[in-house]
Amino acid sequence: AQTVTQSQPEMSVQEAETVTLSCTYDTSESNYYLFWYKQPPSRQMILVIRQEAYKQQNATENRFSVNFQKAAKSFSLKISDSQLGDTAMYFCAFIDRTYKYIFGTGTRLKVLA
Amino acid sequence: NAGVTQTPKFQVLKTGQSMTLQCAQDMNHNSMYWYRQDPGMGLRLIYYSASEGTTDKGEVPNGYNVSRLNKREFSLRLESAAPSQTSVYFCASSVGHRLSMGNQPQHFGDGTRLSIL
Repeated sequence: AQTVTQSQPEMSVQEAETVTLSCTYDTSESNYYLFWYKQPPSRQMILVIRQEAYKQQNATENRFSVNFQKAAKSFSLKISDSQLGDTAMYFCAFIDRTYKYIFGTGTRLKVLA
Repeated sequence: NAGVTQTPKFQVLKTGQSMTLQCAQDMNHNSMYWYRQDPGMGLRLIYYSASEGTTDKGEVPNGYNVSRLNKREFSLRLESAAPSQTSVYFCASSVGHRLSMGNQPQHFGDGTRLSIL
């Protein structure tokens, strides 16, 4: 069975600094997709970034980038120039050809002024 | 744009009562999902419907039933509510099959906070 593990329940970072959130996963599939979602206090789930497993190039979306290590089954999220609005829960998620999403348990990120 | 609409937003039930959570999406998505979110547990998939006419169990299906009423609507039913089902429930949808999985980000509703006494 596929699993997604986020080993950092809580993290904090100073405004304007860089922070990296960790995610590891386990699957026997060769083709799959990985996502990072953000859930601010408003409780809405917002897509941050996505990565296709067959693409070696790491995805980037403005201040957000990933470090995708397929052999190690690792998918970390780097947030550069952290802003107060980045304070949220961050979830790593996985989907394969069955269209069944698996989410990690989340990392609560607090950006400090 | 409405997106994914869940009703109700809040509900309190007594143990043993039944309840149906409603979800509708207006994005012509094929796939729909029900999750529960509990502190420290992340989002756990209850049931999903990859396409109209199909439903499949997720990680935690016990105590729940679902109905994919049509392409737009996917309801979640608690037949006999238990305190362990106190949670925040999210419905989500995505484009679904016949397309690249890369086009599969999920669109979420605002959640239903359900308390069972």
